[in-house]
Amino acid sequence: QQQVKQSPQSLIVQKGGISIINCAYENTAFDYFPWYQQFPGKGPALLIAIRPDVSEKKEGRFTISFNKSAKQFSLHIMDSQPGDSATYFCAASIGTASKLTFGTGTRLQVTL
Amino acid sequence: EAQVTQNPRYLITVTGKKLTVTCSQNMNHEYMSWYRQDPGLGLRQIYYSMNVEVTDKGDVPEGYKVSRKEKRNFPLILESPSPNQTSLYFCASSRDRNQPQHFGDGTRLSIL
Repeated sequence: QQQVKQSPQSLIVQKGGISIINCAYENTAFDYFPWYQQFPGKGPALLIAIRPDVSEKKEGRFTISFNKSAKQFSLHIMDSQPGDSATYFCAASIGTASKLTFGTGTRLQVTL
Repeated sequence: EAQVTQNPRYLITVTGKKLTVTCSQNMNHEYMSWYRQDPGLGLRQIYYSMNVEVTDKGDVPEGYKVSRKEKRNFPLILESPSPNQTSLYFCASSRDRNQPQHFGDGTRLSIL
């Protein structure tokens, strides 16, 4: 049972464009929603995270949008750069940042 | 430099031959965990540890053992590896259960 569904599986965006990755969750008890970025040969690294008391969080070019009623959250990467090419994972947890349930990942390629 | 170190990074072995993947962190973190990453499934938690001598099962613990005798080390033990344990494994740590996790660079295991 996939508790966090992530789409698309892969995404190609031109340099300067907006990359959008979506996640949907089933468990309404989830209260922490991080996004991780993973480069080849490396472990995932925390990119940005949100708790459900806010609908949006922005850090530089990265924004999380959160829709509690729809049980969905998304990552927007503005002005996408080739250096953003990586695999992105959404995740969710209950009451802790440690017991994470991950989505299946999105491989992003930003072309010149 | 703060880091989570896994060894080995790559291993090819045969069914039934016991193996241990070591994980060490130099950040004095209380919380450590192991994940496996498989295509189309994202990361799934195998075991976690809240502190020394305190371990618990994650989502996919079958076929694995762990121990936490020292705060800095959290080895993953495969007593009798099988081909379905061929995967990419990540160790992670965090200061406590409410802090983001820092991931190691992964161990790719192939079990023939």
